[in-house]
Amino acid sequence: KAGVTQTPRYLIKTRGQQVTLSCSPISGHRSVSWYQQTPGQGLQFLFEYFSETQRNKGNFPGRFSGRQFSNSRSEMNVSTLELGDSALYLCASSLVGTGISYEQYFGPGTRLTVT
Amino acid sequence: AQSVTQLGSHVSVSEGALVLLRCNYSSSVPPYLFWYVQYPNQGLQLLLKYTSAATLVKGINGFEAEFKKSETSFHLTKPSAHMSDAAEYFCAVSLNQGGKLIFGQGTELSVKP
Repeated sequence: KAGVTQTPRYLIKTRGQQVTLSCSPISGHRSVSWYQQTPGQGLQFLFEYFSETQRNKGNFPGRFSGRQFSNSRSEMNVSTLELGDSALYLCASSLVGTGISYEQYFGPGTRLTVT
Repeated sequence: AQSVTQLGSHVSVSEGALVLLRCNYSSSVPPYLFWYVQYPNQGLQLLLKYTSAATLVKGINGFEAEFKKSETSFHLTKPSAHMSDAAEYFCAVSLNQGGKLIFGQGTELSVKP
C-alpha cells in the first residue's frame, strides 16, 4: 500500500498570506490528523477529521482550519500567516475502531516558511 | 490531563552499546503508548505500540519497550546500537480520543563509532 502523501513538500509564504496543505491518507484509512512541529513547541496536535467531520481539535487559533473530503483526503488551511507559523506540518492517518486506539501513520510533512 | 515526559533531550551511546530512552506518562486512565522515530527531513515512523495486550512490546529494528504501570513508564531499549539508529525518538500517549496523540519533547540519539 502507498503511504501517506503530503503536498507540497516545501512552501515559502509571506506574512499575511494564506496557505493550503494537502494530505492523502493510506487507502482504507478514514481518520486523518494534523500536527505542527517546531523546535520550540515540539509536536502539537492541530485537529482530526473522520468521515468529513472534525472529531477533535487542539489549542490553535481559528486561523487554522481543515476539512476532509468523501475520499478521506484532507486539507488544512492557515489564514493570515504569522512568522510563528513557520513549521513542519505533519499529517497522519489511521484506521478507526471502537474502544481501541489504532496507530497513526505519518506522511513526510510540509515544511512551511513564513517570511 | 494526560502528558508525556522524555528524560534527556540528547542521548549519546557508542556503537554496540545499550540504548535506553526514557519515557514517563501521566494519565488518569489506562493509556495507549507509542514510540516513533524521526530521521532528518522525514515524517515519523512507528517503532512500537502498547495497547494492554502485553507489557513487553517488541518493535521494528530490534527495539523493545516495557510498560510499567507502577512507575508510569514506557522506556525504549535496544541491546546494541547501530549507526543507523541515530535519529530523534518520540514517545506518545493516546486515550482513544479520536486520533489525538500527545507527544513528549523528543530525545535525539547520537551513535558514536
